[in-house]
Amino acid sequence: DGGITQSPKYLFRKEGQNVTLSCEQNLNHDAMYWYRQDPGQGLRLIYYSQIVNDFQKGDIAEGYSVSREKKESFPLTVTSAQKNPTAFYLCASSAMGQGSDYTFGSGTRLTVV
Amino acid sequence: GQNIDQPTEMTATEGAIVQINCTYQTSGFNGLFWYQQHAGEAPTFLSYNVLDGLEEKGRFSSFLSRSKGYSYLLLKELQMKDSASYLCAVRDPNQAGTALIFGKGTTLSVSS
Repeated sequence: DGGITQSPKYLFRKEGQNVTLSCEQNLNHDAMYWYRQDPGQGLRLIYYSQIVNDFQKGDIAEGYSVSREKKESFPLTVTSAQKNPTAFYLCASSAMGQGSDYTFGSGTRLTVV
Repeated sequence: GQNIDQPTEMTATEGAIVQINCTYQTSGFNGLFWYQQHAGEAPTFLSYNVLDGLEEKGRFSSFLSRSKGYSYLLLKELQMKDSASYLCAVRDPNQAGTALIFGKGTTLSVSS
């Protein structure tokens, strides 16, 4: 079955450490996205990529980095520069058509301890 | 920039009808989406509007007026399982390509 997989589901990080969240899709989607969600909030866009080897900053890119070396994979690194990284992180993918909706991963809950 | 507004919370009774409004101000527009999200889970797609008018899908309908920057999601015959957050999202190619810009969501509580 086609889908999008995020791992791990829960992640704990010590302050000052970088951590990488995995996102893999086998839907042959060109576009992939990373969002952050805080309690009681909607989704805020961190980074997005519409083609391999290219990505764009979203509204809250500071303290995060991404790569898109393969169509299937779009990992997100939360760096030590991100001052408040505790949140629920969602990865999504879509085709490039106008009405294409997202397929979401199940999310990674990151907690800084 | 973008601005997408929706009410923070709504309450309704089982079997009733509820309308969740969304207003948006974006520099470009290439479609409006509604998603449902249960606590701790990923959002699931409900509806898509790109032209003015009403789209109906079972108990759920969504309306769009592009000239007014306005949409609503109508939920009929409410069930307890409809208790969730409802997210309005706009595709603005001028700002973020194919990425969706989300409102903060409306938390709907359905009581018996």
